[in-house]
Amino acid sequence: KAGVTQTPRYLIKTRGQQVTLSCSPISGHRSVSWYQQTPGQGLQFLFEYFSETQRNKGNFPGRFSGRQFSNSRSEMNVSTLELGDSALYLCASSLRGGASGDEQFFGPGTRLTVL
Amino acid sequence: AQTVTQSQPEMSVQEAETVTLSCTYDTSESDYYLFWYKQPPSRQMILVIRQEAYKQQNATENRFSVNFQKAAKSFSLKISDSQLGDAAMYFCAYRGYYGGSQGNLIFGKGTKLSVKP
Repeated sequence: KAGVTQTPRYLIKTRGQQVTLSCSPISGHRSVSWYQQTPGQGLQFLFEYFSETQRNKGNFPGRFSGRQFSNSRSEMNVSTLELGDSALYLCASSLRGGASGDEQFFGPGTRLTVL
Repeated sequence: AQTVTQSQPEMSVQEAETVTLSCTYDTSESDYYLFWYKQPPSRQMILVIRQEAYKQQNATENRFSVNFQKAAKSFSLKISDSQLGDAAMYFCAYRGYYGGSQGNLIFGKGTKLSVKP
């Protein structure tokens, strides 16, 4: 089985722009979660999608949004980029997510740099 | 809110030796999962080992084992016979069954493990 894939792998944007990141989960997985990783704050949960519905959301401003498609692929969008949004964005997929205890499989991440 | 604390930012171990990484957590929930994830320099995060809180028996996966102390809210990872490939960042993570932490992982800050040949 192919693993979790994320595109693009690297991205450079300027302040005020918006960006869209994509995540393709492992085939058959219906849950996709997004995390932001920075040296200062570590790994922080952004949101989880299951069957095209946002099931859980972390403590991030409304500039961060996401969606999930019927094939379970997910996108996250960050509008009005700030310097502090520079981070590695990780996507993780699992069969059922939530409280199921299913293992989350992580993608390689998208490295976003905001200038 | 649940929190996870890893008090050792960096650790070093000699190849073939044993090392223990510490993790403590805080929660008011009685049912939850605990995980150790490894993130090598290539950045792909992989699961090392997991523990369900209701299970008293400590989880083991080959050279990796945990010491789970529920009352003390402690979850340490022991790596035996350390290998060069074990060098990585190790993250302890918590996931609850219920409420706001359901479905998402709450991570500690990580421990950077170096393995000396």
